[in-house]
Amino acid sequence: QVQLVQSGAEVKKPGASVKVSCKTSGYTFDHYAFSWVRQAPGQGLEWLGWISLKNGNTNYIQRLQGRVTMTTDTSTSTAYLELRSLTSDDTAVYYCARLAYGANFLDNWGQGTLVTVSS
Amino acid sequence: DLVMTQSPDSLAVSLGERATINCKSSQSLLYSSHNRNYLAWYQHKPGQPPKLLVYWASTRQSGVPDRFSASGSGTNFTLTISSLQAEDVAVYYCQQYYNAPWSFGQGTRLEIK
Repeated sequence: QVQLVQSGAEVKKPGASVKVSCKTSGYTFDHYAFSWVRQAPGQGLEWLGWISLKNGNTNYIQRLQGRVTMTTDTSTSTAYLELRSLTSDDTAVYYCARLAYGANFLDNWGQGTLVTVSS
Repeated sequence: DLVMTQSPDSLAVSLGERATINCKSSQSLLYSSHNRNYLAWYQHKPGQPPKLLVYWASTRQSGVPDRFSASGSGTNFTLTISSLQAEDVAVYYCQQYYNAPWSFGQGTRLEIK
């Protein structure tokens, strides 16, 4: 069955960077695109962007432009989210999610990774 | 950017009763050449990842109980749970995937009365 398994919780200081991984199995990795979504404490879901496996194109939300990079490694069937220059506002649970084939809704999700930014 | 607004923010319903959640988009989500509305619904329980319930505004994801139904077109959409079960307690989100950024509604918290 389809599985997306994310890396463990991280604690970072303000100004640092974090890289969250999302290792997949149970399907053909490069046939699907990925999104990343986060949920800050007490808040709703925030879509962060997506990456195409067809051509590597990415689309990020405006307010993260310049600080975020989404990548994939087809040799290990893993997607990555890197966020730089962290602030306390980046404290959240980060989810990877697979886009449905040929569509943009999110049909399978990772379990989530808590990133805490604190001095 | 498209803005998604859900109502109500929270909802308390008795077991076995109907629950209705609304979602309104700031622009039409109907892609006329496909005759499809680019809207999905997710269920989010504490400590778990969100779960896809409905896509294309009204198509139930495989394995989702048939007490969940969804409807709507254009800018107004509804998720209905026909007979609330205890396991349905969660926050429910609509999301548009018509235009990036693919925004979510603010969420509706569903509880047992």
